[in-house]
Amino acid sequence: RKEVEQDPGPFNVPEGATVAFNCTYSNSASQSFFWYRQDCRKEPKLLMSVYSSGNEDGRFTAQLNRASQYISLLIRDSKLSDSATYLCVVIRQGAQKLVFGQGTRLTINP
Amino acid sequence: EAGVTQFPSHSVIEKGQTVTLRCDPISGHDNLYWYRRVMGKEIKFLLHFVKESKQDESGMPNNRFLAERTGGTYSTLKVQPAELEDSGVYFCASSQAGQLGDSPLHFGNGTRLTVT
Repeated sequence: RKEVEQDPGPFNVPEGATVAFNCTYSNSASQSFFWYRQDCRKEPKLLMSVYSSGNEDGRFTAQLNRASQYISLLIRDSKLSDSATYLCVVIRQGAQKLVFGQGTRLTINP
Repeated sequence: EAGVTQFPSHSVIEKGQTVTLRCDPISGHDNLYWYRRVMGKEIKFLLHFVKESKQDESGMPNNRFLAERTGGTYSTLKVQPAELEDSGVYFCASSQAGQLGDSPLHFGNGTRLTVT
């Protein structure tokens, strides 16, 4: 079983729609959580950190549920430029390396 | 500020040949990481340098892979001899001194390696 599991998609949604991604992690010692975005043939870029209290950055909202070991990302009013692969990433306690999910591919259609 | 740069951007080699990938981190970044994505799989950690010292090389696949960071500046990752399963995208990343997660991790554009 992968340490970080994501639905690979692809998700195809119309512009303006709301889309949600989920991610689960298996290691209860995970302590830091992130969503990264990766455009085709580009490097991963940090989208946002994820906290138990939830955090919002414009149209993006991320949420962590430690009890269920579950992370979510919500994108409201989606734009064509949101098309990308979204990577769920965790860091284990005491570790100095990112553990990536396989990514969820999102395409926003005009 | 110049970002993390990697060279070459693409490399096509035959099985059994040697390839050396180079990474120049952001100036002043003590932490340097190598990650790899093989086709159809998730991005996986290879190793971590703090300055010139290897802190964690638990992700290195086997002894055909050798990473160095002499002088604590740029790093090289050599694959010798290359095998077909080594094909993938090799990413380098760097961050300032301190714990991962406390400061942003900056990735390079990656080197796309194809072994034929």
